[in-house]
Amino acid sequence: QVQLQESGPGLVKPSETLSLTCTVSGGSISSGSYHWSWIRQPAGKGLEWIGRVYTSGRTDYNPSLKSRVTISVDTSKNQFSLKLSSVTAADTAVYYCARVAILHDLFNIWGQGTTVIVSS
Amino acid sequence: DIQMTQSPSSLSASVGGRVTITCRASQSIGSNLNWYQQTPGKAPKVLMYAASSLQSGVPSRFSGSESGTDFTLTISSLQPEDFATYFCQQSYSIPLTFGGGTKVEIK
Repeated sequence: QVQLQESGPGLVKPSETLSLTCTVSGGSISSGSYHWSWIRQPAGKGLEWIGRVYTSGRTDYNPSLKSRVTISVDTSKNQFSLKLSSVTAADTAVYYCARVAILHDLFNIWGQGTTVIVSS
Repeated sequence: DIQMTQSPSSLSASVGGRVTITCRASQSIGSNLNWYQQTPGKAPKVLMYAASSLQSGVPSRFSGSESGTDFTLTISSLQPEDFATYFCQQSYSIPLTFGGGTKVEIK
């Protein structure tokens, strides 16, 4: 059974770059018709899609974050990663990685989520 | 961006009761609408896809429907494990967007 696990620093200073990695286990990141997404959720608020990467390396980003976001994939490590630059307190949130079925763009497997706090 | 507006933002209901949650899209999205359930401290879980298709393993008390740009999630007989927050998500265009959520609480 495919599982996803986020990892990375839980505390990032303002103006620095947030870096998270999602490790896929129980199956190959390259198999099936999926893309791999990052989503975030500030405390008590709704979900915001950050962007996605295909195993080809193609990416799509939310225009609201596009200037600061880079998502990449490393198929040899079965991982994909998120970098968000120039962070502020507004970027404090639980960050989730997810496997998304291309048919219906359905977020069908999620990581447990990791809390990132932006503070000096 | 396509805005997804959910209503109500919260509701109270009794076990065995019927619950209806609405999600309105800011423009036509066809049937490209998915529903998720999130319990506190957990990641969201898929309930419905393509507006009215039940995800495998999800109880049949959950159903979905659509009328134009309005989408409805119905729980026919609320169970204790259904007290959670529900989100809709449009899959029509990028950026993928979610509704603000509806919290279902015990009455």
